[in-house]
Amino acid sequence: DVVMTQSPLSLSVTLGQPASISCRSSQSLVYGDGNTYLNWFQQRPGQSPRRLIYNISKRDSGVPDRFSGSGSGTDFTLKITRVEAEDVGVYYCMQNVLWPYSFGQGTNVEIK
Amino acid sequence: EVQLVQSGGGVVRPGGSPRLSCAASGFIFDGYGMSWVRQAPGKGLEWVSGINWNGNKTGYADSVKGRFTISRDNVKNFLYLQMNSLRVEDTAFYYCVRDSDYGLDFWGQGTLVTVSS
Repeated sequence: DVVMTQSPLSLSVTLGQPASISCRSSQSLVYGDGNTYLNWFQQRPGQSPRRLIYNISKRDSGVPDRFSGSGSGTDFTLKITRVEAEDVGVYYCMQNVLWPYSFGQGTNVEIK
Repeated sequence: EVQLVQSGGGVVRPGGSPRLSCAASGFIFDGYGMSWVRQAPGKGLEWVSGINWNGNKTGYADSVKGRFTISRDNVKNFLYLQMNSLRVEDTAFYYCVRDSDYGLDFWGQGTLVTVSS
């Protein structure tokens, strides 16, 4: 099974400052079609998760452009250029290249 | 508008066998795979099970394999999770999730299953 490892697990950020979360997979997430099946999710307190990014770097509809994804192979990063109050929550990476899908442990983002 | 409305859950005795349901609307249900994802209170996300568009391919996490069964009804537009032999460690919020070509793109509201004697 693919193991997803995130760091840091907790992040305290000043409003307007950048934030960065890393995610590493135990094996390549590149599928035979050439796509890399790596998603990022945001879960605000008391809400269902919401997908932000798919295929490493493609933003879902309605996701602010301050969120960006990058990486390749087994190493990936989610960046927030300028953190806003509404960005507080837990962020998860997830691989969907094969079953069983697997999530990172989650990174709790709070405002300093 | 895509909607995934979940029902079922509640408090169940250890060894119990509840069934979760998820009513899908606002999209072509049989054009998508579906998954169940759970989250123990205060913990992270765990993929539980998945099913392809026509139901002839299913997958399970090791933690539930042999105890849970995922199924779907493409006429009624429903997704199900039959949970058998429940354990205390199965206590969690369970989410019904649409599985598009590129991942889990739309989540239901979640339903809490509490396993307790």
